[in-house]
Amino acid sequence: QVQLVESGGGLVKPGGSLRLSCAASGFTFSDYYMSWIRQAPGKGLEWVSYISSSGSTIYYADSVKGRFTISRDNAKNSLYLQMNSLRAEDTAVYYCARERSHASFDYWGQGTLVTVSS
Amino acid sequence: QSALTQPASVSGSPGQSITISCTGTSSDVGSYNLVSWYQQHPGKAPKLMIYEGSKRPSGVSNRFSGSKSGNTASLTISGLQAEDEADYYCCSYAGSSTPVFGGGTKLTVL
Repeated sequence: QVQLVESGGGLVKPGGSLRLSCAASGFTFSDYYMSWIRQAPGKGLEWVSYISSSGSTIYYADSVKGRFTISRDNAKNSLYLQMNSLRAEDTAVYYCARERSHASFDYWGQGTLVTVSS
Repeated sequence: QSALTQPASVSGSPGQSITISCTGTSSDVGSYNLVSWYQQHPGKAPKLMIYEGSKRPSGVSNRFSGSKSGNTASLTISGLQAEDEADYYCCSYAGSSTPVFGGGTKLTVL
């Protein structure tokens, strides 16, 4: 069965860095577009970043552009999010999600919590 | 991209039908038949309920249906059940492989 498992979250100080990972299994990872989506505590969902199946096309939300970098390793069935210059407003649960078609995410991981605080 | 507009809350009694609206613009909801809906229970990951406007993934009850008119998409839940109580989010394609989410609607089953 399809599984997405995020890791790498934790407590980090403002201005710090963190790298999130998402391990995929149960499907041909290299066939699918993937995204990171986050949810601040008690708030709604916010799309963060997208990467095409080959990794050749990448997009970011304006709120993270220039600070976050998405990447993937199809040989390792893994998705990554490098987060630099973290701010308090980046505090959220970060989900990786498989994209079935444009703006349709059919499988989500359990999420990993990132807390940015001094 | 601005978030899509959803009502903060809706409620209904068991067995009734409710509709949640999701209003966007001519740049997102109005331009594409690519609206999806997600159900999220507390502490859980979102679950895809409707995609591409009106399609249901395998395993999702046919009590859930989606539609669109102009810049507004809608999710209708018929035969409301206690387990339908959750937060619901809409999402629309907004071009250049970027999606935009709604602010979410809390459904209460009375």
